[in-house]
Amino acid sequence: NAGVIQTPRHKVTGKGQEATLWCEPISGHSAVFWYRQTIVQGLEFLTYFRNQAPIDDSGMPKERFSAQMPNQSHSTLKIQSTQPQDSAVYLCASSLQDRGDSDYTFGSGTRLLVI
Amino acid sequence: GEKVEQHESTLSVREGDSAVINCTYTDTASSYFPWYKQEAGKSLHFVIDIRSNVDRKQSQRLTVLLDKKAKRFSLHITATQPEDSAIYFCAAYDSGYNKLTFGKGTVLLVSP
Repeated sequence: NAGVIQTPRHKVTGKGQEATLWCEPISGHSAVFWYRQTIVQGLEFLTYFRNQAPIDDSGMPKERFSAQMPNQSHSTLKIQSTQPQDSAVYLCASSLQDRGDSDYTFGSGTRLLVI
Repeated sequence: GEKVEQHESTLSVREGDSAVINCTYTDTASSYFPWYKQEAGKSLHFVIDIRSNVDRKQSQRLTVLLDKKAKRFSLHITATQPEDSAIYFCAAYDSGYNKLTFGKGTVLLVSP
């Protein structure tokens, strides 16, 4: 079990460019979550999927951020027209149970730097 | 939705002392409260949890206490060691959105 795999580990983009982040959840886990972590804001919820269906995207900046889960084995977070304030560590987590009251396994994160 | 407040942003203790991190939550229906640890440069990993059918759970040097009346739960670490130094996150189950809501994190520093 390789755990939750996130790629790339590091990404540097120029302001205004697009960034796509990938997450491969643990096989068999039914829920996938995306978070953003910064020193100032701490851990911020972005969005999550359950059985590939989008359930809650209340944390997503609506205009430039989008997330998809086209199949059970991966999810993507896309940021269009990146801005310096998007610089953060983006964490993906997956969870085994259909109910939300079970522990999450986090990936190592993608550190995004927008210059 | 659920809101979780983690009261200590930083906590410094001497090696061998105990450390306590406190969290409060707002959703009376919350029934699950896990804790996560993030070591420097690494991601979060699960350390211990408690469900609302008990008020205390212990795993080696970690104990979680739950006070449902006060909507408060806490992580107690005894005989702290330098390797306990990390950011600790508490979380509570948000029954409305069927997901966990996390606190902002507490930086625990254990000095020799």
